[in-house]
Amino acid sequence: QVQLQESGPGLVKPSGTLSLTCAVSGGSITNSYWWSWVRQSPGKGLEWIGEIYHSGSASYNPSLKSRVTISVDKSKNQLSLNLSSVTAADTAVYYCARAFRSGSFDYWGQGTLVTVSS
Amino acid sequence: DIQMTQSPSSLSASVGDRVTITCRASQSISTYLNWYQQKKGKAPKLLMYAASSLQTGVPSRFSGSGSGTDFTLTISSLQPEDFATYYCQQSYSNLKTFGQGTKVEIK
Repeated sequence: QVQLQESGPGLVKPSGTLSLTCAVSGGSITNSYWWSWVRQSPGKGLEWIGEIYHSGSASYNPSLKSRVTISVDKSKNQLSLNLSSVTAADTAVYYCARAFRSGSFDYWGQGTLVTVSS
Repeated sequence: DIQMTQSPSSLSASVGDRVTITCRASQSISTYLNWYQQKKGKAPKLLMYAASSLQTGVPSRFSGSGSGTDFTLTISSLQPEDFATYYCQQSYSNLKTFGQGTKVEIK
């Protein structure tokens, strides 16, 4: 059973960088799946942030592309999210998820709340 | 961006009722449409993928249909554990987008 677990600071200052990791267990991150980050805020609902393949090939939401970097660490079987120049609008629950058939997401982490505030 | 619009935004129903939720895409997405159930404080759970394929372990009272721009999720007989918020998501475009959600409440 694949499990995903997000971790990182729950509070980030405005203009700072939000950094999260997602540890994958029960399966290798190098299997033939894409791995995504999705966030959920009361104001904007569910928003896809971007995705990465174990080769390092990544794709991002154009609305966030200038501020987002997603990377993969095969040795640790985890992926990471960096979001720079954050504002209060970036306050959300952040999820990592595995892309399944037809671009659906079959496994999700439990989510981690990140609040942007001074 | 492909916009996904769900209706209704919320509904009240009783146990045993047949419930239908609609999702409309702003352009044709073939059958690249997925449905999720989310309970308060939990991550979304995949119910249906490719419009009409039931995810493993999901009860058969859930079904999905549609293609192009119009899709439906049907719960044939609502159970107490089905009270939740439901989201559609398109994966036709590289920029994946979600509907705004439909909250199913107890009548």
